[in-house]
This record gives sequence, C-alpha cells and structure tokens, in this order.
Amino acid sequence: SQKIEQNSEALNIQEGKTATLTCNYTNYSPAYLQWYRQDPGRGPVFLLLIRENEKEKRKERLKVTFDTTLKQSLFHITASQPADSATYLCALEGSDYKLSFGAGTTVTVRA
Amino acid sequence: EAQVTQNPRYLITVTGKKLTVTCSQNMNHEYMSWYRQDPGLGLRQIYYSMNVEVTDKGDVPEGYKVSRKEKRNFPLILESPSPNQTSLYFCASRKTSGGFGSPLHFGNGTRLTVT
Repeated sequence: SQKIEQNSEALNIQEGKTATLTCNYTNYSPAYLQWYRQDPGRGPVFLLLIRENEKEKRKERLKVTFDTTLKQSLFHITASQPADSATYLCALEGSDYKLSFGAGTTVTVRA
Repeated sequence: EAQVTQNPRYLITVTGKKLTVTCSQNMNHEYMSWYRQDPGLGLRQIYYSMNVEVTDKGDVPEGYKVSRKEKRNFPLILESPSPNQTSLYFCASRKTSGGFGSPLHFGNGTRLTVT
C-alpha cells in the first residue's frame, strides 16, 4: 500500500541554523509534491510545490528537493527563526487530483 | 478575501445525534475535500468532490455523508456520530480547471467531540 513518512521525531534547532525535514514515500509515483505549514489549531497553509521533473525549488529561506529515484523530498529552512516554529506537512499528488499527506514534522526554533 | 469557511469551530455532541458541518469557499474552485486529522495519523481524506453533483469516497468515508449541490458549498454530514469520530476536521478546496499541481486552501478546522 502507499505510504508517506516524515521525520518521526520533532526537530529542535537553534535560531540561525538550518532545519532539514525529510519526506519518504513508497508505492507511489507522484507527479507533484507539496509542502505545507500548520500552526496549532489552524488549517495547513501551502508553502511550495515541486514537479517530478524538477530537482530543486526555492522560495526565500525555503528550499525543497525532489529525488524520484530515492523516492524522497527534503525541505530546508535556512537561517531559521522562532517564527518558523510549526508543523510541516508534505503531500503527494497522483494522477487523480488527490493529495495524500504525511503525518508532519514539528519544528521548534529556540532563540 | 479568498477563503474557505467552516462552521462551527467547536462542536460537542452525543452519540447518535445527527450533525452537519458546513463548508463554503469563495474562490470558484472546482475541487473540494474533507479531511480528518488525528494525532500520529496525519490528515486523512474522508470525501472529495471534483465538481457540482460529483462526489467520491476518500480513504476513511465510513460514517460520513457529503453533498455538492452548489459549487461553493460542501457540507459534511454525520448521520449517527460515534466517539471514534471525535477528531479535528478540515475542509479544503483547490482549482483544478488549470490542471494538476494547484495548492489546497484549507479552512480553520472544526474540532468535534462525540461523547
């Protein structure tokens, strides 16, 4: 069956460092991979999208990579700030418009 | 302001008492979906709709009903709620007329407790 796995542990990092989150998937051939941010008690908010034929995408301090051979995406937050503390979700889109989500990784940035 | 609006935000009910959670979007999106979020399990899709009068089951549809009579509205109905439906529910919409790869826009959630 299809499976999406994100870092099982929460990530605690010092302000200014780079946070790296992983999203691994099996039994899936996604055309697109998306990353969302979710704050406590709120709905997820879209951050970035990367296509299967793209290796890397950047937006301000965020960078996403997509390796379809390894079946993995990495999400980087550079020069992290306390305001980056949140849960980050990866989502895979197949050929039917359905977006399937990982369980998320909680990031805490210490000042 | 472009948004997905869910109501109510919080709901406490008893087993077996029918309830409806409303969802409305003002972005003219074709696709709408309901998810439930439980600790450690992430977001799981309940039902989705590709357009008006077109609905289909997601991964966890048991115990839920939906309808899509108008493009903007996609209510979630629990005919006979049970305690295992206690969860945080999200409605979401996205534009699909331009093809794949569009982002999902989420509402702020409905926290449902069934006792």
